[in-house]
Amino acid sequence: EVQLLESGGGLIQPGGSLRLSCAASGFTFGSYAMSWVRQAPGKGLEWVSAISGGGGNTYYADSVKGRFTISRDNSKNTVYLQMNSLRAEDTAVYYCAKEVPLDVSFDYWGQGTLVTVPS
Amino acid sequence: QLVLTQSPSASASLGASVTLTCTLSSGHSSNAISWLQQQPEKGPRFLMKVNRDGSHVKGDGIPDRFSGSSSGTERYLTISSLHSDDEADYYCQTWGTGVQWVFGGGTKLTVL
Repeated sequence: EVQLLESGGGLIQPGGSLRLSCAASGFTFGSYAMSWVRQAPGKGLEWVSAISGGGGNTYYADSVKGRFTISRDNSKNTVYLQMNSLRAEDTAVYYCAKEVPLDVSFDYWGQGTLVTVPS
Repeated sequence: QLVLTQSPSASASLGASVTLTCTLSSGHSSNAISWLQQQPEKGPRFLMKVNRDGSHVKGDGIPDRFSGSSSGTERYLTISSLHSDDEADYYCQTWGTGVQWVFGGGTKLTVL
C-alpha cells in the first residue's frame, strides 16, 4: 500500500524558515518524481515544486522560486521542502504527491501538514 | 497561458447522477487532465486521467460509478448512483507551460 506522510509544519514568523518532510512507503521511491502542492485555507490547489526520481532535476513555481528548495534522500525514502523567507501568503496545507511517470497525474497524495505564517 | 475552468458548485440527489465539467482554455484542446476528489479535512485522492479522446484510466480502488469523457476543450467526470460520501470538492489538473502543473478552481459537490 502506497503511503505518504508529511511532517514539519507549524507556526513560523514572517521571514523565518521551515523544513517539511514527506516519508514514502509502498513503492520503489527512487523510481518516481515527487511534487509538493499547497492549499491555502478555503482555497484551491497550487503546485509548488517537483523533483525527479534521482534528484538531479528540480522545478519550482514562480511564487516560491529562490525561497524554497526541494530535495530528496532516496536511502530514507523521503522528500523535503526547505522553505526560507516565509511570507503570510505561504500559509497553507502542504501536500506531497507521487507523480505518474511521463503523465499529467499525481496518483497518490499525503494527508498534508499545515504551515502558518501570521501577517 | 493555460487555464482550467470549473463551476464553483454543483448539487444532485442521493442515488442520482451528476456530471462535472472542466474546461481547458483555448488552444489546449489536446491536453489530458486528471480528476481529484477532496473530502472534507482530507488530502486529495486521484480518481482518473481523462484523455482528449474520452478514454480514461482510473486510480486504484475507484468504483465503476465514476467515469470520464471528453468533448473538444471540455473534460467530464460523471458520478452515478450518488452516495453521501461523494459530497466533496472535485479538482481537475493538467500540465501547464514548461514543467509545472495547473489546477482548476474546484467544484463543491453537494449531495441532497
